[in-house]
Amino acid sequence: AQSVTQPDIHITVSEGASLELRCNYSYGATPYLFWYVQSPGQGLQLLLKYFSGDTLVQGIKGFEAEFKRSQSSFNLRKPSVHWSDAAEYFCGLADRGSTLGRLYFGRGTQLTVWP
Amino acid sequence: EAQVTQNPRYLITVTGKKLTVTCSQNMNHEYMSWYRQDPGLGLRQIYYSMNVEVTDKGDVPEGYKVSRKEKRNFPLILESPSPNQTSLYFCASTPPRGSEAFFGQGTRLTVV
Repeated sequence: AQSVTQPDIHITVSEGASLELRCNYSYGATPYLFWYVQSPGQGLQLLLKYFSGDTLVQGIKGFEAEFKRSQSSFNLRKPSVHWSDAAEYFCGLADRGSTLGRLYFGRGTQLTVWP
Repeated sequence: EAQVTQNPRYLITVTGKKLTVTCSQNMNHEYMSWYRQDPGLGLRQIYYSMNVEVTDKGDVPEGYKVSRKEKRNFPLILESPSPNQTSLYFCASTPPRGSEAFFGQGTRLTVV
């Protein structure tokens, strides 16, 4: 069965520090993978997605993620965090080729940024 | 502009009083779904619809109903809300072939 695990419930970093949010998935083949961000009081915004091709994916707001098939991971990174990055981050997976369009989400990682 | 619109954004109601949260998308997507978001539990799917008049249960369907009479609309109905349905609700619309979902702005529901 498909599943997504975000091992870190809460991460705190200082502004300007680098960031890595972990995401592991369980799926029989290569899925579609996503990262969404939810700022306080806001909806969910797509940061980036991986469908195929280059395993290093660039997204908005300076984020990137790397798909590692051998580790079943899709970790999100940013070289220098800004205070406005404080938010909750969700990793998601979709069935490749499925007509259902269903997404499976991890439980989220709350990011706090210290000034 | 492609969007998913939910209404209302905020709702406080009393136990047992029927309510409907509306969801509309303008992208002609066939697949729509409802999620609830609770602290520490992430996003859990309540119901989904693959097309007009085709709906099915997600992971946490108890206490909810949906309907899909038109392609663009997918309302969520709570016929007898209870306090454990206090949550943040998101409607989503997805193109076929497992692409990313487009989310509404969310509805924060409080049942007292």
